[in-house]
Amino acid sequence: SQQGEEDPQALSIQEGENATMNCSYKTSINNLQWYRQNSGRGLVHLILIRSNEREKHSGRLRVTLDTSKKSSSLLITASRAADTASYFCATDKNYGQNFVFGPGTRLSVLP
Amino acid sequence: DSGVTQTPKHLITATGQRVTLRCSPRSGDLSVYWYQQSLDQGLQFLIQYYNGEERAKGNILERFSAQQFPDLHSELNLSSLELGDSALYFCASSVEAGGGHNEQFFGPGTRLTVL
Repeated sequence: SQQGEEDPQALSIQEGENATMNCSYKTSINNLQWYRQNSGRGLVHLILIRSNEREKHSGRLRVTLDTSKKSSSLLITASRAADTASYFCATDKNYGQNFVFGPGTRLSVLP
Repeated sequence: DSGVTQTPKHLITATGQRVTLRCSPRSGDLSVYWYQQSLDQGLQFLIQYYNGEERAKGNILERFSAQQFPDLHSELNLSSLELGDSALYFCASSVEAGGGHNEQFFGPGTRLTVL
């Protein structure tokens, strides 16, 4: 089974709204990463948060990590049509080995 | 542009055939990862090489094999192809074997179609 599971599977919002995606995982991790994938393209790294960090920001992105609940959230503020993509969380159990991606959240931002 | 290159971009072949996918990592990156992405299985980690040595193995079938050469480029060999092998195959690279800043940089992918 997947180490990381994103929720919701799909999300549709209006431009300017905030989008929140969640990721849950099963075992302890060293770090958790979020990636974006535009349709049929390669994944693009967004942000990495280590297991000893609770929150991290990068531009309009805010990631939180709750290791006690084994969950993370990705918040995209003031969304734009260009944010339309699939978003994946990936967990790193053994320092890069067994790097596991969740099934992703498909975000649609409507103009 | 991530700096990771993959060839070919598209590959159409028949069942039972063998193909080789090629990946050149970003300059300076020692780790190469291979992933398979299909609609039903999602993004599956196949295998990782670090500086020429196999580092980690994921859901890679026995019909598949990979290697990393001294110049750090990598090849993924798929043999006895089946219809279900049709997928996007991504290569990614990172500086380290893992830990620390192991952000992965993905190539554009090779779309394999098995007819």
